[in-house]
Amino acid sequence: QVTLRESGPALVKPTQTLTLTCTFSGFSLSTSGMCVSWIRQPPGKALEWLARIDWDDDKYYSTSLKTRLTISKDTSKNQVVLTMTNMDPVDTATYYCARSSTVTKFDYWGQGTLVTVSS
Amino acid sequence: DIQMTQSPSSLSASVGDRVTITCQASQDISNYLNWYQQKPGKAPKLLIYDASNLETGVPSRFSGSGSGTDFTFTISSLQPEDIATYYCQQYDNLPFTFGGGTKVEIK
Repeated sequence: QVTLRESGPALVKPTQTLTLTCTFSGFSLSTSGMCVSWIRQPPGKALEWLARIDWDDDKYYSTSLKTRLTISKDTSKNQVVLTMTNMDPVDTATYYCARSSTVTKFDYWGQGTLVTVSS
Repeated sequence: DIQMTQSPSSLSASVGDRVTITCQASQDISNYLNWYQQKPGKAPKLLIYDASNLETGVPSRFSGSGSGTDFTFTISSLQPEDIATYYCQQYDNLPFTFGGGTKVEIK
């Protein structure tokens, strides 16, 4: 059974760095073809893909956010970590992690974690 | 980045109606398109992959078609449990991009 769960602070101040952890089970990120992405959704708005890390440690980022994002994995702990620097109120959103088993589709999602950016 | 334009942004239909949503890509993406359903307060759920393939366990009233730049998502007979927002997503090029969503309500 595949599960993913996001964890991190619910509230961050402007200019701070956000660190989110995706802890997963039911698959290994060392298996060929496996990927984990981060996707966010501001309240009442559409989904926005942020970053992806692949089984071979290749990393990909949103064009508009790539200077602020870092994605990494700890295969032994079954975790993927996303850091986003210089947080702003417009970054207030629910942040999801999602698995892709064939690179192409997000077949399993975490429940999401709401992050509010406010002083 | 590839832009995905969905229409309509919202619709209201009666139970049993046929519902159609369109998604247009800003460039040719072949059939590299997925459709997701998101119910309020929940994570998105994959319904259709590769433009027309039904994900395992998804009811057959959901279907998808299209290739190139123009795609269609159809609910053949709308059910009360289909109330949700639907998103298309392209994976032809990174960064992956989503459409703006279509909110489906019951009339």
